[in-house]
Amino acid sequence: AQSVTQPDIHITVSEGASLELRCNYSYGATPYLFWYVQSPGQGLQLLLKYFSGDTLVQGIKGFEAEFKRSQSSFNLRKPSVHWSDAAEYFCAVGPMEYGNKLVFGAGTILRVKS
Amino acid sequence: DADVTQTPRNRITKTGKRIMLECSQTKGHDRMYWYRQDPGLGLRLIYYSFDVKDINKGEISDGYSVSRQAQAKFSLSLESAIPNQTALYFCATSGGTGVNTEAFFGQGTRLTVV
Repeated sequence: AQSVTQPDIHITVSEGASLELRCNYSYGATPYLFWYVQSPGQGLQLLLKYFSGDTLVQGIKGFEAEFKRSQSSFNLRKPSVHWSDAAEYFCAVGPMEYGNKLVFGAGTILRVKS
Repeated sequence: DADVTQTPRNRITKTGKRIMLECSQTKGHDRMYWYRQDPGLGLRLIYYSFDVKDINKGEISDGYSVSRQAQAKFSLSLESAIPNQTALYFCATSGGTGVNTEAFFGQGTRLTVV
């Protein structure tokens, strides 16, 4: 069965510093991979997604993620964090053949200090 | 108006009561999902429906039931609510497979069972 691991429950970074959120997945084939962000009191918003092709994908709000098949990872990065990036971030994996039955990681809460 | 609308947004109910959470969407998607979010556990799939005549159990369906009244409407019921069903519930939709796999989420229903 597929699974997603986000090893960091909480991360605190200074405003302007770089950010990397880790995501590892377990799945038998090449999955669809997603990063979602949840701001307080809000639903989930898609940041970016990977289906195939270029392993470095660009998303909204200046985020990017790199798919590394050999490491079963899909880490999210941002070169310079803004205070408004404080939120909870979820990595998700979906099987290609059955459409969007997404399996989510437990989430990483990002705190930004000024 | 939001593409995926959940009602109510907040609800407090007593143990043993029956409660229904409703979801409607204007995206024209066939696929609809119910997830629950618990701190530290991410989002877990309760039920999903790939069209009006198709209902499937997800990872944690015990104690829940669903009804797909129309393409645009998907309701989640707790037949006899219990305190450990206190959680944040999300409805989501998607257009299908491939590049349409992206899920769109409602803003969530915060349910408290006392």
